[in-house]
Amino acid sequence: NAGVTQTPKFQVLKTGQSMTLQCAQDMNHNSMYWYRQDPGMGLRLIYYSASEGTTDKGEVPNGYNVSRLNKREFSLRLESAAPSQTSVYFCASRWRFGNFGELFFGEGSRLTVL
Amino acid sequence: ELKVEQNPLFLSMQEGKNYTIYCNYSTTSDRLYWYRQDPGKSLESLFVLLSNGAVKQEGRLMASLDTKARLSTLHITAAVHDLSATYFCAVDMDTNAGKSTFGDGTTLTVKP
Repeated sequence: NAGVTQTPKFQVLKTGQSMTLQCAQDMNHNSMYWYRQDPGMGLRLIYYSASEGTTDKGEVPNGYNVSRLNKREFSLRLESAAPSQTSVYFCASRWRFGNFGELFFGEGSRLTVL
Repeated sequence: ELKVEQNPLFLSMQEGKNYTIYCNYSTTSDRLYWYRQDPGKSLESLFVLLSNGAVKQEGRLMASLDTKARLSTLHITAAVHDLSATYFCAVDMDTNAGKSTFGDGTTLTVKP
C-alpha cells in the first residue's frame, strides 16, 4: 500500500515562479490536508478538504490555492512563489472529517524559493 | 484560537532514564494525538487519546490525557537510543473536528 504520495519531493524555485504540489492517497479517505513545517516549529495548516468537492482555509492560506481534483487527489498551488514559502510541505489524509482518527502523512515536499 | 504548547522543546537523556513530555492546550477538546518524526522524515502516529483519563502504552512510551486540566503527557521509561526523534502532540478543536493544531514538537536525544 502506497498510503499518501506527494510529488515532487524536492523543488527549487525562483521568486515569482509558480508550481503545483501533487498529493494522492489510496486509503479511500474523505478528508485531506496541506501543512507546512518550518524549522523548529510544528505543522501549520494551509488548506484542507473535508470531503470531495469542498475546500477551506486553514491557519496560513495566503499565497496558496488548492484543488480537490477527486476523492484521491488534493493539489497545492503556489501562484507566485516568495522566499517566505521556503518550507517542507506535508500532505495528509484521514478517514472522515470529524472522525476520531489520526492523520496519515506523505513523505513531504521540500521547497526552496530563491 | 486553539494553542498547543509542548515542553520541553529539547530533551537530552541518558539511556535507561525516565522522563515526561508535557502537552498543554488552551480550549476544550477530548481528542489528542501524539506523532513521531525522525530527522528528514514524515510523521507517524503513535497514540490517539479520545477521552478524559485515556491511557495508552506502546513499548517504552505511555501517553495519557486529562481533559479537565487540558494536559497530555508522554512518559518515556528506560530510554533507548532508538527513541531519539521529535515528538508532536496535536489537538482537534471540538467545533472544527478534523483540523488538528500541532505543538512545536519536543526533540528527544537519547545518549548512551
